[in-house]
Amino acid sequence: QKEVEQDPGPLSVPEGAIVSLNCTYSNSAFQYFMWYRQYSRKGPELLMYTYSSGNKEDGRFTAQVDKSSKYISLFIRDSQPSDSATYLCATRIQGAQKLVFGQGTRLTINP
Amino acid sequence: KAGVTQTPRYLIKTRGQQVTLSCSPISGHRSVSWYQQTPGQGLQFLFEYFSETQRNKGNFPGRFSGRQFSNSRSEMNVSTLELGDSALYLCASRQGQSTDTQYFGPGTRLTVL
Repeated sequence: QKEVEQDPGPLSVPEGAIVSLNCTYSNSAFQYFMWYRQYSRKGPELLMYTYSSGNKEDGRFTAQVDKSSKYISLFIRDSQPSDSATYLCATRIQGAQKLVFGQGTRLTINP
Repeated sequence: KAGVTQTPRYLIKTRGQQVTLSCSPISGHRSVSWYQQTPGQGLQFLFEYFSETQRNKGNFPGRFSGRQFSNSRSEMNVSTLELGDSALYLCASRQGQSTDTQYFGPGTRLTVL
């Protein structure tokens, strides 16, 4: 079993829809949670970073962490075709620099 | 400020050969990590270097090695290439060991024939 599970999709939604992307993890020691966006033929780009449980909002993006259920979410409001990419969740334990990634979800926003 | 650069961007090798990939971190960043990305396994941590010392290592065979130079530039080497080594190799840099934000380069696409 992978430490971080993420549905690889693909996920296709119409422009303007609210998108929900999710990951689950197994190690309760994970303390830091990140979402990366990766466009085709590019490296991952950090979108959101949260520590422990709670919500964080940045523009159209909201990241949620629920440590009690070991569940990580990313919500995209008013989705745009330019949001079409692969979204990767990542996490790490305190004191360790190694990031553990989910498989990535390929998202397509249709105009 | 220039981002993380990786060279070469694309590489084709045959089984049994060896390969060296290069990564130049963002100016001022002292930590460099390497990851392997494949469709089947996703992104997996290879190793991290800070101040020319390997600080962490992932679960990869000894054929995978790396080093970091005094200017923070890093190289990774894969010897005796196997077909399964075909992947996108990503380098990420961060300012210091306690800094969380890792910035990724575009990657080197390695194809082993």
